[in-house]
Amino acid sequence: EVQLVESGGGLVQPGGSLRLSCAASGFTFSGYAMNWVRQAPGKGLEWVSVISGGGSSTNYADSVRGRFTISRDNSNNTLYLQMNSLRAEDSAVYYCAKGKRIAAASDLDYWGQGTLLTVSS
Amino acid sequence: IQLTQSPSSLSASVGDSVSITCRASQGISSSLAWYQQKPGKTPNLLIFAASTLQSGVPSRFSGSGSGTDFTLTISSLQPEDFATYYCQQLNSYPLTFGGGTKVEIK
Repeated sequence: EVQLVESGGGLVQPGGSLRLSCAASGFTFSGYAMNWVRQAPGKGLEWVSVISGGGSSTNYADSVRGRFTISRDNSNNTLYLQMNSLRAEDSAVYYCAKGKRIAAASDLDYWGQGTLLTVSS
Repeated sequence: IQLTQSPSSLSASVGDSVSITCRASQGISSSLAWYQQKPGKTPNLLIFAASTLQSGVPSRFSGSGSGTDFTLTISSLQPEDFATYYCQQLNSYPLTFGGGTKVEIK
């Protein structure tokens, strides 16, 4: 059974940093691209970032490029999102989501339960 | 690439057939997925490649379209189908979602 468990969310001051983690199990982690998607309270889904299975290719939403860094540790089946220079508008539930195919731009067939980030002073 | 969903919300009755449209700001071939999200739950993949039903998804859901115009149809609405639906384009980065369509009970 595929499981994705996010952690690391919390309350951060504007300008601060935080790292989210997503522990994966139930599939060959290195064989699939992984994504972060966020959802502000009461709002729609916003794609944040993707990393290829091997970790060599990454892409970002314009809203986070230069501030967020996605990475993965295939030996420990863990996905990360390092978030710097946080802003109030980054406040959201952050989901990690597995790509359906090995290609980085693929549909998201499994999602974690999410971790909440609140950026506020 | 911007995705515009319409309507943003709709009210329907059990048994009704409903259609949701997703329009892309430029051509995306068939690189479109549809997701369902129920309140307090995570999104669930319904359709990929514009018209291919994800395993385990009831056959009353169908997708069509290519290029810039896409449609999600629910042929006979069931109580468990009341949710918010999102389209997502996978043609080019940054990947984007539509704004969502909330399907409510009439």
